[in-house]
Amino acid sequence: DTAVSQTPKYLVTQMGNDKSIKCEQNLGHDTMYWYKQDSKKFLKIMFSYNNKELIINETVPNRFSPKSPDKAHLNLHINSLELGDSAVYFCASSQDTPDTQYFGPGTRLTVL
Amino acid sequence: KQEVTQIPAALSVPEGENLVLNCSFTDSAIYNLQWFRQDPGKGLTSLLLIQSSQREQTSGRLNASLDKSSGRSTLYIAASQPGDSATYLCAVIGGAQKLVFGQGTRLTINP
Repeated sequence: DTAVSQTPKYLVTQMGNDKSIKCEQNLGHDTMYWYKQDSKKFLKIMFSYNNKELIINETVPNRFSPKSPDKAHLNLHINSLELGDSAVYFCASSQDTPDTQYFGPGTRLTVL
Repeated sequence: KQEVTQIPAALSVPEGENLVLNCSFTDSAIYNLQWFRQDPGKGLTSLLLIQSSQREQTSGRLNASLDKSSGRSTLYIAASQPGDSATYLCAVIGGAQKLVFGQGTRLTINP
């Protein structure tokens, strides 16, 4: 009965590859997010979707493209992976934007 | 641009002590402030959310206060236990509708 789940938990890939991370929430929330936690453990928002509509798009390379097929899912696709993309990526959800956010367990991406 | 700072970066105390973690933010125009806990290799767990109109929130041994005008919040942990060892993160939501995090305080409770 995991509230926010992400797959895969670990992802190791070569530079230049394209990869996707999936996120699903079963809380019935309207808003979902992607965060990046870098090697210094600093968490920063990347994207936010409300009812499948993009509402926050921080300054991230356009190699990163979120996709929301329905309001329970928000996937993150990354093209042409670079060494600097190595980080832990967290998905989160909330009922509305200022409400408590519930985080997934994270996906540790390592680009070699 | 909102900036969130947490002091200290790391804290180690003996079991049973009461302790305070500090958080400060530069823009007082916030909707709310949240405290999270992150265990190594795990996701974040929400501990407390304080609305901008509130002064404090309590959950068990945790008490969080908010002084919006001065841009400060504290998380008080009473009677600390080894299981409280984790990184504690403070985050605020403002007009930009996005959660801005501090860098966290890594807490170690020694048995």
